[in-house]
Amino acid sequence: DAGVTQSPTHLIKTRGQHVTLRCSPISGHKSVSWYQQVLGQGPQFIFQYYEKEERGRGNFPDRFSARQFPNYSSELNVNALLLGDSALYLCASSSPPMDRGDYNEQFFGPGTRLTVL
Amino acid sequence: RKEVEQDPGPFNVPEGATVAFNCTYSNSASQSFFWYRQDCRKEPKLLMSVYSSGNEDGRFTAQLNRASQYISLLIRDSKLSDSATYLCVVNTYTNAGKSTFGDGTTLTVKP
Repeated sequence: DAGVTQSPTHLIKTRGQHVTLRCSPISGHKSVSWYQQVLGQGPQFIFQYYEKEERGRGNFPDRFSARQFPNYSSELNVNALLLGDSALYLCASSSPPMDRGDYNEQFFGPGTRLTVL
Repeated sequence: RKEVEQDPGPFNVPEGATVAFNCTYSNSASQSFFWYRQDCRKEPKLLMSVYSSGNEDGRFTAQLNRASQYISLLIRDSKLSDSATYLCVVNTYTNAGKSTFGDGTTLTVKP
């Protein structure tokens, strides 16, 4: 079975541009979460989506937005890119959403490495 | 202060050593706890969940102290393949789910 897939693997943008990152969860998983990982730090939670609804949001500006489609794939959009947005963007899928209080494993994709020049 | 704090290390140990990692969290409403492993330039992968009763998986033992808001990971008989960054993860469910990662502890096991 395929794991979590993300595209593109690498991306170079300039300041002020917009970027769209894509994620396909493991088949049967309905929850997708997005994380930003800056070099030397742990992943920082951006969003969680479950059944196409936002179920959690981290401390990120409104330039960051996301959505989930009927097939449970997801897009992360970042507008007006800043140099500080350069990071590895990770997508994770899980079967039930995180907010049920269970020990649900999150399965991560390989990430999209974004460089903003 | 970060919500989840870990000693960044690095920990450099010889093969066969026992090494312990600690993690503290600040949100008393946190409900589930994990250790993930991340190899260089790879995605994080679940190592083990951490239950109130403590749990063991082979050479790995995880413990949780809710009163002190403290999580630990013990690795016995270290192998070269254990070299990685170990991430402490805390899930909190208030109005919605949120997963908070520590910045990780780097372990290098040397021959």
